[in-house]
Amino acid sequence: EVQLQQSGAELGKPGTSVKLSCKVSGYNIRSTYMHWVNQRPGKGLEWIGRIDPANGNTIYAEKFKSKATLTADTSSNTAYMQLSQLKSDDTAIYFCAIAASGPFDYWGQGVMVTVSS
Amino acid sequence: DTVLTQSPALAVSLGQRVTISCKASESVSSSSYSYMHWYQQKPGQQPKLLIYHASNLESGVPARFSGSGSGTDFTLNIDPVEADDIATYFCQQSWNDPFTFGSGTKLEIK
Repeated sequence: EVQLQQSGAELGKPGTSVKLSCKVSGYNIRSTYMHWVNQRPGKGLEWIGRIDPANGNTIYAEKFKSKATLTADTSSNTAYMQLSQLKSDDTAIYFCAIAASGPFDYWGQGVMVTVSS
Repeated sequence: DTVLTQSPALAVSLGQRVTISCKASESVSSSSYSYMHWYQQKPGQQPKLLIYHASNLESGVPARFSGSGSGTDFTLNIDPVEADDIATYFCQQSWNDPFTFGSGTKLEIK
């Protein structure tokens, strides 16, 4: 069974950074792309970017290029996303997902990031 | 970016058929596949893949869900609608970078 286990809820102060993790079991992340998606309270889904864990190549949506940094550790089968210079607008649920060939086949449970002073 | 347009909400009676539409601002189909996918999301849960490549039913998803379309116009059908189907439905394209989602259609009981 494929499972994506995300780290716990985060409370960050404006201007600081947080690093989220997504540990995958039942699937070798070297054979897929790891994606990150967010959902602001009461809103829709927004694609942040993806990483190819096999070589570290990343692609970001334009608005997240200076906000998010995606990394992956194939030895622990874990993907990471660091969010920097937090603002209140970054308050959202953040999901990791596996998409080997287009559709997001598997999703993490999501992690709530709250930005507040 | 490829913009996906969905109606915000639809009201349906249980047991009836419902069609949810998704219109792309540009084609998301190749000669072989359409790179449009559908997800169901219930409150407090992660999205769940229902249909991939426009018309393929994800394993374990009930056969009352079906998808169709190509190019810029796609639909998700539920027939018949059951109480458990009350949720928000999102389309998503993976043909163009950045990947994009529709804004979601909330299915409500009439």
